Amino acid sequence: EAGVTQSPTHLIKTRGQQATLRCSPISGHTSVYWYQQALGLGLQFLLWYDEGEERNRGNFPPRFSGRQFPNYSSELNVNALELEDSALYLCASSSLEDVTDTQYFGPGTRLTVL
Amino acid sequence: AQTVTQSQPEMSVQEAETVTLSCTYDTSENNYYLFWYKQPPSRQMILVIRQEAYKQQNATENRFSVNFQKAAKSFSLKISDSQLGDTAMYFCAFMKPPGAAGNKLTFGGGTRVLVKP
Repeated sequence: EAGVTQSPTHLIKTRGQQATLRCSPISGHTSVYWYQQALGLGLQFLLWYDEGEERNRGNFPPRFSGRQFPNYSSELNVNALELEDSALYLCASSSLEDVTDTQYFGPGTRLTVL
Repeated sequence: AQTVTQSQPEMSVQEAETVTLSCTYDTSENNYYLFWYKQPPSRQMILVIRQEAYKQQNATENRFSVNFQKAAKSFSLKISDSQLGDTAMYFCAFMKPPGAAGNKLTFGGGTRVLVKP
């Protein structure tokens, strides 16, 4: 069974640009989560999508947004990039059939803002 | 808000020996889920073990086991017979029951484990 996949592996942008990160969940999983892992800030919850709807959002500004497609894959968009947006962005997926809703992670996208 | 604390930034252990990582959390919830994830240098976050708070029995997964002390809000991870492949960053994480508080995982700051040959 294929795991969570993310693309691209690395992304380099300049300040003010927009970045788009993509995630494909494990087959059968309907929930997708996004986390930011920035140096010195640890892992922070960004967004949760389920059945195409945004279900929860972390303490991030509105320029962090995303969507979930009918096939349950997801995009994370970061507008007006700032230097402090440089981080590893991790996507995870889960199945509501799992009573614990355990989240399984992808390999991440390293975003560098210059 | 829930908080998760890992008090050991780094630990080293000889191959084949045992190491225990500590994790404490703060919550007023009675039912919740606890997880240990490992993140090797490859960056992929891998689930190690999970524990449901309503289960008194400590979870085990091969060489990995936990000591869950609900009253003390403590959730330590024991790695037995350490292997070189266990070298990684280990994160403790807390989650309220699915659906409550938006399925958010709250992570500790991590413990870096180095297994020496």
